[in-house]
Amino acid sequence: AQSVSQHNHHVILSEAASLELGCNYSYGGTVNLFWYVQYPGQHLQLLLKYFSGDPLVKGIKGFEAEFIKSKFSFNLRKPSVQWSDTAEYFCAVSMDSSYKLIFGSGTRLLVRP
Amino acid sequence: GAVVSQHPSWVICKSGTSVKIECRSLDFQATTMFWYRQFPKQSLMLMATSNEGSKATYEQGVEKDKFLINHASLTLSTLTVTSAHPEDSSFYICSAYPSSYEQYFGPGTRLTVT
Repeated sequence: AQSVSQHNHHVILSEAASLELGCNYSYGGTVNLFWYVQYPGQHLQLLLKYFSGDPLVKGIKGFEAEFIKSKFSFNLRKPSVQWSDTAEYFCAVSMDSSYKLIFGSGTRLLVRP
Repeated sequence: GAVVSQHPSWVICKSGTSVKIECRSLDFQATTMFWYRQFPKQSLMLMATSNEGSKATYEQGVEKDKFLINHASLTLSTLTVTSAHPEDSSFYICSAYPSSYEQYFGPGTRLTVT
């Protein structure tokens, strides 16, 4: 069965540190890739998405992600995190022409001021 | 931006009763909505795809007679948890998409069954 893996379950960083969250999926066909963020007490919000084209995509709030097809990965990065980035981050994948999303298990990020 | 609302945001019910959760797309029409379940500190698991004017499509392992979905209009889908039990306690989230592939999520409904 198709799956999405996020290997970092909890990440703790100090402000201004760089962030990279891993996301790998298991599917050999066409994929659409997403990163969502869930701030404490709030609903899921889209950070960025990849459908096609440039594998380096830029999202909101200074986040970016790189699609590496050969590695089945879509890692999320931010060069300098802020305390306000404390949240849970979910990688999600839809496959072929399906609209259904398969989510990773999520990564809880805590940024210390 | 597109807005999806859910009602109620939190509901407590007694074991054996039924609970209805509403999902509305406020500023767009949605022929398809999705229902997810999120356990504490876990990811979202897709329960079913709600299709306007037709039957919902349930994911493997989801009891369709227990989780009744009705997509009555292009802006409203409802999830009814029938004969609720404590193990049904969870966070239920719906989503819809106004354009291709980009889903917008509701704020979720926390169900507690006592």
